[in-house]
Order: sequence, then C-alpha cells, then structure tokens
Amino acid sequence: KQEVTQIPAALSVPEGENLVLNCSFTDSAIYNLQWFRQDPGKGLTSLLLIQSSQREQTSGRLNASLDKSSGRSTLYIAASQPGDSATYLCARISGSEKLVFGKGTKLTVNP
Amino acid sequence: KAGVTQTPRYLIKTRGQQVTLSCSPISGHRSVSWYQQTPGQGLQFLFEYFSETQRNKGNFPGRFSGRQFSNSRSEMNVSTLELGDSALYLCASSLALRNYGYTFGSGTRLTVV
Repeated sequence: KQEVTQIPAALSVPEGENLVLNCSFTDSAIYNLQWFRQDPGKGLTSLLLIQSSQREQTSGRLNASLDKSSGRSTLYIAASQPGDSATYLCARISGSEKLVFGKGTKLTVNP
Repeated sequence: KAGVTQTPRYLIKTRGQQVTLSCSPISGHRSVSWYQQTPGQGLQFLFEYFSETQRNKGNFPGRFSGRQFSNSRSEMNVSTLELGDSALYLCASSLALRNYGYTFGSGTRLTVV
C-alpha cells in the first residue's frame, strides 16, 4: 500500500522559532510532491510543488526538500509567526495522477 | 485570475436523500478531481475527470458518481446519503501536466442528519 506519513501530528512552538515538518512516503516512483496549508474549515492552499527532478523549492520563509531515494520530504519554516498556525499537508503525485495525502501536521505558533 | 469555485459552500441533507455538488476549475484547466475529507480518514481520492472522461476512481461505493462537462466544469453526486457521508468535499483542478500541481477550491461542507 502506498502511504504518506507526516510527523509530528501536532507541533506547538513560540513565535520566531525555525521549524521542520516531515513527510515520508513508501513509493519512490513519485512524479511530484506538493505541500499544502489548510486553515480550519477551509480548503487547501498550495505552498510549494517539488518536481521529481528537483531537490528543493523555496518561497519566502518556506523551503521544501525532496529526497526520493530515502522517501522523504521536509518543509522548513523560518522565523515562524502566529499567522503560520494551520495544518500542513504533504501529498505525493504518482503515475495515476491522483494525490495521496498524509494526515497532516497541526502547527500552532504562540505569540 | 479566478480560482477553483465550489458551490454550494454548505449543505444539510437528510439520510436517504441525494446531493449534487459543483466545481468550476481554473480557466484552461482540463482536469478536475474530487476528494473527501473527514476527521477520521483524512483526505481520500474520489475520482478524476479529464476532457469529460473519468480517468481514475477511488475506493468509494457506487453511490458516489461524477461527471465533467465540455467547459470542464464538474459535478459530483451522492445518492442515498448516509450519516458517514458527512464531510468536506474538495475539488482540485490541474492543467493535467504533471509539473504544474493542483489548485483546490474552498470545499463544500456536507452534513447528513
């Protein structure tokens, strides 16, 4: 079974801290990996898309890396802010073109 | 540039009824996929349509169906609603080229009572 696992399930940090969210997947034959953010009761907002030929992508304070050989991706958030509080989801895109999601990491950034 | 539009935002239905949800993708996107999100199961793939054809289907009962129109707008239908169908239903659109990722709508919150 092709699964995506996110650790930790929840994380609470003080404002200003740098943090890393982890995502692991069992199927190394992925095409792309996409990170999303979800605020309570809302849809998904795309953060970063890492294509299979890439090792990392950066957008502002966010940096995501992809290591297909180890089946891992990490999302690095620099200088966290209370507005970063949300659930972060990673999803792999494989040959069937569908997204397979992890259960997410719920992040709380305390002022 | 308009995003992915899902209507309605909220629905309350009674067990046994049927419901139709609508999704309008980003202009130019030909692929529309649907996902169900529940607290227990997380996000699960329902089906994907491309150019009016269903390309992939998830592991859901036949009560869940969908279609896509020539303008790429998509609808999903759930018949004989059960309490367990209560969920947030999310639609995603894509250029259907693997290097461009997916854009999601705000979802339809379905409550079955």
